[in-house]
Amino acid sequence: NAGVTQTPKFRILKIGQSMTLQCAQDMNHNYMYWYRQDPGMGLKLIYYSVGAGITDKGEVPNGYNVSRSTTEDFPLRLELAAPSQTSVYFCASTRDAYGYTFGSGTRLTVV
Amino acid sequence: KNEVEQSPQNLTAQEGEFITINCSYSVGISALHWLQQHPGGGIVSLFMLSSGKKKHGRLIATINIQEKHSSLHITASHPRDSAVYICAPHSGGGADGLTFGKGTHLIIQP
Repeated sequence: NAGVTQTPKFRILKIGQSMTLQCAQDMNHNYMYWYRQDPGMGLKLIYYSVGAGITDKGEVPNGYNVSRSTTEDFPLRLELAAPSQTSVYFCASTRDAYGYTFGSGTRLTVV
Repeated sequence: KNEVEQSPQNLTAQEGEFITINCSYSVGISALHWLQQHPGGGIVSLFMLSSGKKKHGRLIATINIQEKHSSLHITASHPRDSAVYICAPHSGGGADGLTFGKGTHLIIQP
């Protein structure tokens, strides 16, 4: 009964490096989301997916990519990391677009 | 785009006080979530409501769909209630999830 699992919890990247934030859910939820949370701001939607093989851009997709090859996994890829991508990233999932489960977050610092 | 305003932004209160956090939004919705985030922690869903009132323990959430307004109340507040409380309306028109308020940072002092 793990819910939504995010890894890693913390990461420091150098400018220009790349990394993948992992998100996995074991609830057979169709909908999955990636958000970023910046200090003093509400969460912003980066990308979302309504099912395996289907992804779409959210409000702030630039600098990120996603894939959804299985129902369970929804990794977020950062290419050429920039200081503006320093943030806390949350993955979330829902079965019916109403009851949401959030991961514990990934705190990313780009230096 | 749904504009979400929460008030107050910061609130410090004494243990035992009755707490009210308000949320207003600009676009009609199908449901609204209240979320809780402890310092350095993940986000937990407290309530989802589409009308009226819901109660879980010492927490009460109300919503007035016509007025585009929701409130979260905490009775007999306790230091463990210290957290950020986030209002998140769901427009219901698509699969692109929630719109989030900036949150209310609540500190309950013993």
